[in-house]
Amino acid sequence: NAGVTQTPKFRILKIGQSMTLQCTQDMNHNYMYWYRQDPGMGLKLIYYSVGAGITDKGEVPNGYNVSRSTTEDFPLRLELAAPSQTSVYFCASSSDRGLSGNTIYFGEGSWLTVV
Amino acid sequence: KQEVTQIPAALSVPEGENLVLNCSFTDSAIYNLQWFRQDPGKGLTSLLLIQSSQREQTSGRLNASLDKSSGRSTLYIAASQPGDSATYLCAVRRMDSSYKLIFGSGTRLLVRP
Repeated sequence: NAGVTQTPKFRILKIGQSMTLQCTQDMNHNYMYWYRQDPGMGLKLIYYSVGAGITDKGEVPNGYNVSRSTTEDFPLRLELAAPSQTSVYFCASSSDRGLSGNTIYFGEGSWLTVV
Repeated sequence: KQEVTQIPAALSVPEGENLVLNCSFTDSAIYNLQWFRQDPGKGLTSLLLIQSSQREQTSGRLNASLDKSSGRSTLYIAASQPGDSATYLCAVRRMDSSYKLIFGSGTRLLVRP
């Protein structure tokens, strides 16, 4: 069972470079999320999507962009990377808003360092 | 603004001990509260979810309680084992924006053999 798959696992970027973190899920979930986790901190929501073609900002969207062309894929693009974007990024998905008790599934994370 | 706090930040116990992890939140208007486990270099795995109308949930050696009025939740781990070593995070789902989970910063647990 693949679940939520993120690539790459590790990446080092230079300041000003751009890159895309890939996320795909095979559970036919409508809801997908991108979080970042800084050392010793909880997760903060960057962007989320409630279905193909629909995306919205979370708590910390600046410096990022997303798209959702299919149910399965939810890539996160970093434009003009800055040291403040050094973090661990997690993609997640769920079948609904999470009100009924259905759980949220996370990928294993992508470690990004901007130097 | 909803804030979630977890105390202690780190905890070390000998194997076999029963232990309690604490989570507090500032706004009682929540849909539910969820406890997650995070192993080093891995993603989060959901352990227990408590709806706002519930008082507790149990799964094996884990028991989570919720006191919404006081803004507190506890995760009780019975007969701890070295395999329980991980970071435990709690998260609340806000009632005013149901897509958003607000996470605490976690408690890093080490169970010593």
